[in-house]
Amino acid sequence: DTGVSQDPRHKITKRGQNVTFRCDPISEHNRLYWYRQTLGQGPEFLTYFQNEAQLEKSRLLSDRFSAERPKGSFSTLEIQRTEQGDSAMYLCASSHLVGAVGEAFFGQGTRLTVV
Amino acid sequence: GQNIDQPTEMTATEGAIVQINCTYQTSGFNGLFWYQQHAGEAPTFLSYNVLDGLEEKGRFSSFLSRSKGYSYLLLKELQMKDSASYLCAPSGGSYIPTFGRGTSLIVHP
Repeated sequence: DTGVSQDPRHKITKRGQNVTFRCDPISEHNRLYWYRQTLGQGPEFLTYFQNEAQLEKSRLLSDRFSAERPKGSFSTLEIQRTEQGDSAMYLCASSHLVGAVGEAFFGQGTRLTVV
Repeated sequence: GQNIDQPTEMTATEGAIVQINCTYQTSGFNGLFWYQQHAGEAPTFLSYNVLDGLEEKGRFSSFLSRSKGYSYLLLKELQMKDSASYLCAPSGGSYIPTFGRGTSLIVHP
């Protein structure tokens, strides 16, 4: 396993279009996180899954954002009707939470540009 | 809720020691992560503190005081490659790392 994989690495889309990003976590990890990062800021938490259950989604930025993790393996993040303010780096991370310990390993991210 | 404060930028000389401070107010606090992020790259894990005290790992050490809501990352024998952003990330009741805006460290010769 080569770590967390995200696809695509870069996406340019026109305002109003829908986009979907994919994340493949490290295979034995039970947790998967989505973050958004803009220039000069730290990653901003969006949502996470424990296995296939989405346990927190109140931080998703609007109802245009949704995430899935069917069968507890890969995950997708969809943004509908994109806006220029959605332009950012979208990071996925996974961890194997055992008790209170489980550092998150990040993928290389998907850089979204909305024009 | 979360309130994380760390300096925006620090500069240091190659070979020196630098301490990056972080204060936080986190509901249900259970531990604190430090990550390193080079420009254009993903964050990489440096350390995780659960108990009070100092954790040493090579040139990097991390300290935590739970009662004070305070942590620091200590970098020794600085190298040019240490120029990066350092992210403090306390985790709360669901063990989710929540990141501050990061400290941009510039190491010069």
